Amino acid sequence: DGGITQSPKYLFRKEGQNVTLSCEQNLNHDAMYWYRQDPGQGLRLIYYSQIVNDFQKGDIAEGYSVSREKKESFPLTVTSAQKNPTAFYLCAIKDTGFNYGYTFGSGTRLTVV
Amino acid sequence: AQKVTQAQTEISVVEKEDVTLDCVYETRDTTYYLFWYKQPPSGELVFLIRRNSFDEQNEISGRYSWNFQKSTSSFNFTITASQVVDSAVYFCALRLPNTDKLIFGTGTRLQVFP
Repeated sequence: DGGITQSPKYLFRKEGQNVTLSCEQNLNHDAMYWYRQDPGQGLRLIYYSQIVNDFQKGDIAEGYSVSREKKESFPLTVTSAQKNPTAFYLCAIKDTGFNYGYTFGSGTRLTVV
Repeated sequence: AQKVTQAQTEISVVEKEDVTLDCVYETRDTTYYLFWYKQPPSGELVFLIRRNSFDEQNEISGRYSWNFQKSTSSFNFTITASQVVDSAVYFCALRLPNTDKLIFGTGTRLQVFP
């Protein structure tokens, strides 16, 4: 089945730990994105990648890191430097068709305990 | 600067009522794209519609309709005869050409009660 797969759906992290969120796609799209969603604040762009081995910072990149070693995969690491990591994280790809928008994954809810 | 405002934080209606979700955007660009997404409790954002800035025709899709007015920089979304399954958070978003990000509003949570 084609689409975007985010895992895990729920993730718990102790303070001071790094944690990596997975995003995989089999739609053969070049551009992939990570958004963060907080209650009442909408979605904010963390990082995006337009091509393998290249990525750019979004509006709130501090405390996060990414890699793009394969076209299908764009993992996001939430580092200990991120002071408020508890949030809902959404991965997306850019549609190349009529939509000109994004197709989103089902998200990962990260909670710091 | 570009900005999207969804002033309604939460709306509650009873099934079969009509409801309008407001969206006001700000941009100095003459070319842009506007979107509506639905986020059900499962969390995934579902694409509803895209509008180009040069196409002001209103659109209807079943019980959904959109009113795009450049004069007031608004792109409002109306659900006719709402149903419980319409309960979700709805986001309006703006995208400029040659940029790689969507600018989202803060969302409107719609609750439809039976």
